[in-house]
Amino acid sequence: AAGVIQSPRHLIKEKRETATLKCYPIPRHDTVYWYQQGPGQDPQFLISFYEKMQSDKGSIPDRFSAQQFSDYHSELNMSSLELGDSALYFCASSSRLAGGYNEQFFGPGTRLTVL
Amino acid sequence: AQSVTQPDIHITVSEGASLELRCNYSYGATPYLFWYVQSPGQGLQLLLKYFSGDTLVQGIKGFEAEFKRSQSSFNLRKPSVHWSDAAEYFCAVGQYNNNDMRFGAGTRLTVKP
Repeated sequence: AAGVIQSPRHLIKEKRETATLKCYPIPRHDTVYWYQQGPGQDPQFLISFYEKMQSDKGSIPDRFSAQQFSDYHSELNMSSLELGDSALYFCASSSRLAGGYNEQFFGPGTRLTVL
Repeated sequence: AQSVTQPDIHITVSEGASLELRCNYSYGATPYLFWYVQSPGQGLQLLLKYFSGDTLVQGIKGFEAEFKRSQSSFNLRKPSVHWSDAAEYFCAVGQYNNNDMRFGAGTRLTVKP
């Protein structure tokens, strides 16, 4: 079965640079979530989108922005990168059309290293 | 808001021994509970989940978990641990129509030969 795809899998950037992470949800999933997992930390919810509209917001810094496109893929844009942004970024997707609980299916993550 | 507590930061067990990882949640209604495993530098793999019904849930890799409403717990168990089970384990809770899945701090499992 198709899973959530994230690209790139690894990314190295310098301080103050920008980075764009991409997430391709499972086909027919309409909701995308972004999580950040710092070294030795648990995943923290950043933001989510349903049908291309922001649906919930967590601890996402103002330097970050995200959007969901017409094909349901999502991009997380990160500007003015700081050393503390080095983390594993997970994307998850779910389907509200499926009914019931919106179970989230996680991608493999993008490891961002800021030097 | 829902929250999850994993009281044990690090657990060491001998290969072949039994394992129990603790998870306590805080949520007013019936929670949706999950256990994930994460190897170093890797993604999250779902071990098992509880939505409703039978409170003893079977998962992959020989893991099981029991939902105990009276204790607000969802402990993960395995009768006999293998060296390949060494990893970080996260308990997580979600709620209906809420996008914010909360994770516990994780328990690191070390398996001694």
